[in-house]
Amino acid sequence: NAGVMQNPRHLVRRRGQEARLRCSPMKGHSHVYWYRQLPEEGLKFMVYLQKENIIDESGMPKERFSAEFPKEGPSILRIQQVVRGDSAAYFCASSQDGRYQPQHFGDGTRLSIL
Amino acid sequence: SQQGEEDPQALSIQEGENATMNCSYKTSINNLQWYRQNSGRGLVHLILIRSNEREKHSGRLRVTLDTSKKSSSLLITASRAADTASYFCATDTGNQFYFGTGTSLTVIP
Repeated sequence: NAGVMQNPRHLVRRRGQEARLRCSPMKGHSHVYWYRQLPEEGLKFMVYLQKENIIDESGMPKERFSAEFPKEGPSILRIQQVVRGDSAAYFCASSQDGRYQPQHFGDGTRLSIL
Repeated sequence: SQQGEEDPQALSIQEGENATMNCSYKTSINNLQWYRQNSGRGLVHLILIRSNEREKHSGRLRVTLDTSKKSSSLLITASRAADTASYFCATDTGNQFYFGTGTSLTVIP
């Protein structure tokens, strides 16, 4: 499968724990985007990364959230000290060329906070 | 907010009928894209239309863009049950990328 791979598909955490969401972009893609989707809503942009660089994190909450896309390995979205309001589906997308070109999406990680 | 708004929020049609969804936005754009999302899955890119284009076709899809009205429409002709999904528009303003709130389409066999 050469598509965008996200894991885990489902993640359950208790309040105060850490959540780590992983995303492997399509082969040959160096641009990665993270989005959050609440039920019955559209996607909200969080962060845009290229290899080893954060290009735009204007959609990321200032605290507890961080993202990285290392030279080797998947992109990671990390949420520290999770709260109930973090419950959502988190989608990763990748593109081959620059920003705003057609993006290829993974099937998301559904995060549930107990 | 620049976020596009799709209209209607929900649409239910019979198989074989045409489905039209609209997207309105607020500021000037470089391009507008339409995506489809099946329940529980990620989004799939359907079509991209640039700001200097007025109409684009892809199979049973037809997209129009009216930059003077800041609106776009997605037409699906001869709909099939498999077209049942949510459809989102996304706007590229040059330094931001926004998804709309989506239209939920149900095609009844």
